This record gives sequence, structure tokens and C-alpha cells, in this order.
Amino acid sequence: DQQVKQNSPSLSVQEGRISILNCDYTNSMFDYFLWYKKYPAEGPTFLISISSIKDKNEDGRFTVFLNKSAKHLSLHIVPSQPGDSAVYFCAAKVRGGGADGLTFGKGTHLIIQP
Amino acid sequence: EAGVAQSPRYKIIEKRQSVAFWCNPISGHATLYWYQQILGQGPKLLIQFQNNGVVDDSQLPKDRFSAERLKGVDSTLKIQPAKLEDSAVYLCASSFAGGNNQPQHFGDGTRLSIL
Repeated sequence: DQQVKQNSPSLSVQEGRISILNCDYTNSMFDYFLWYKKYPAEGPTFLISISSIKDKNEDGRFTVFLNKSAKHLSLHIVPSQPGDSAVYFCAAKVRGGGADGLTFGKGTHLIIQP
Repeated sequence: EAGVAQSPRYKIIEKRQSVAFWCNPISGHATLYWYQQILGQGPKLLIQFQNNGVVDDSQLPKDRFSAERLKGVDSTLKIQPAKLEDSAVYLCASSFAGGNNQPQHFGDGTRLSIL
């Protein structure tokens, strides 16, 4: 039972355009969501996060949107740059109580075309 | 600041052998996590430590996997005996304190291949 789903294994976007990566979740207890970026042979790198009390969080070229009623979040990257080519993981957790391991999706491989 | 350090980077063993991985978290980080990432999947939590105590090991296959963080700093994860399905990347992560908005920072992982 996958609690965090990234239904697009890959996405190709032209340099300079907007990249939109999507993520759905099923566990209504999740209250904190994160996006990680991963290059080959490296560990995931934290990108941006959002609390369930917000619907948008922005950091430079990266914006995460959260739609709680639809249990859906998305990561927008604008403008897309060649260095953005990587695998992006959506992750979620339940805060409080101490145990806060992340539940990850399977990832979306973003390819930025020149 | 120095990141999460893991060793070895790669390990190849035969099934039924034992193997151990080491992790040194970011200085001052009280919470340490071990994740298993099988090819084509996202990382899956195996165990979470807060200082030297276990917070969550519900997904750790305890018949063959063990982990410790005796002094509340570095940690080891052991597999004994290894099975073919244990082939994966084992990632260590740390955060300043669990249960809040601090993100987890990951090491580069140990890639384990079972022959």
C-alpha cells in the first residue's frame, strides 16, 4: 500500500520553461511534506517543505503547493535550468510523538532539455 | 558544516554472509535514521534513533537486521545473514531534533550488492 504516490516516472521540460512535479498521498495523518532532489550516486538533498497549515511555500525558483482536500501537492520550478535534471522525491511525515520517519514516493526523473 | 558521513560506499558480498555499515551524523544532530532504497523505489525507513535510544524500528526486519548507536553519535547497521533481496542502497540521515520541522539530511549511502 503506497501512501505517497508519484505517478510520473519521468518528465522532460525545455530549459527556461516551468517544471511541475506532482505527488498524491493517501494518509490523512501526514502533516508535513518535503521535496528532495537526488543526483546519481549521491544522497537525497532537501529542497523545500510545507506544513499542512499552509497551501504554498516559496523559495527562489521553487514553489510547493498543497491541496489538502485533494491530498495532492506539487513542486513548481521556474525557470528550469540544466542543473535541475535529477530525480525528485516527494516525502511526507506525521509530526509530534517523536517518531517522524519519512514516507517517500518512488520519484520522478526530471530531464531539462537545452 | 560537514555532512552525514557513511562508509563503505560500496560492498559486495555473497548471500548468507554478514555485513556492517557505519554512519556519522552531522555534529549536534540528536536524531539519526537508517533507510533502505531498493532500485526504482523511494527510500524506506528502517530505524530511527533519538540520541542512543530507539524511537521507531517497526519496519526493521529484526530476524536479520540490527542497529546500534551506543554513544548517541555514530551508528552501525548490520545484516546477518544477508539475502538476495537485501541488495539496495542504505542511506543514513540525521536531523537536529525529531518530531518538528527540521529536515533530514542524508549521506551518500552504501550500495550493497548480494551475489
